[in-house]
Amino acid sequence: DAGVTQSPTHLIKTRGQQVTLRCSPKSGHDTVSWYQQALGQGPQFIFQYYEEEERQRGNFPDRFSGHQFPNYSSELNVNALLLGDSALYLCASSSSKANTGELFFGEGSRLTVL
Amino acid sequence: AQSVTQLGSHVSVSEGALVLLRCNYSSSVPPYLFWYVQYPNQGLQLLLKYTTGATLVKGINGFEAEFKKSETSFHLTKPSAHMSDAAEYFCAVSETGGFKTIFGAGTRLFVKA
Repeated sequence: DAGVTQSPTHLIKTRGQQVTLRCSPKSGHDTVSWYQQALGQGPQFIFQYYEEEERQRGNFPDRFSGHQFPNYSSELNVNALLLGDSALYLCASSSSKANTGELFFGEGSRLTVL
Repeated sequence: AQSVTQLGSHVSVSEGALVLLRCNYSSSVPPYLFWYVQYPNQGLQLLLKYTTGATLVKGINGFEAEFKKSETSFHLTKPSAHMSDAAEYFCAVSETGGFKTIFGAGTRLFVKA
């Protein structure tokens, strides 16, 4: 049973560029949440997708956008990259049926903006 | 609004000693509470969770936590630390089972031989 998978694992971009990160949820999960984890900090909630719609959003600018596909996989897009966007981006999946709130995390995509 | 405060960004214990990581939360409704562990260059893994029922919850690797509503606390303990427990620990709160989960800033646990 595959867990949460994310790609790419590492990437380097320059300021002003755009990036797309991808996530496949754990089998049987239908909800995907994205988090930004800066060095030495806790994960910060970006948004959550359920039934292909953004259900909740954290305090992030519109440069951060996402998408969920019919197979429940998801993408995180960041436009006009800033140096401060350098972080580990974590995808977490969960099941709306379980209703326990437990999140299953991927290993993350480490983004470096130069 | 929900929030989580973890007291102590770094905690150091000797192998075999008690581990105590402190967490206080704020929530306007009965919370779901979690502890996650993160090893270097990895994602987060659930240690234990409190949803309803028994306030003392047991998790993996010998960890446990007690929900104390009157103190709005959810401290994590382990009777005897092992070298393999060295990692970053995050306390988290969710107001419902399916919506956003808010994380604390984390506590790095060091275990000395």
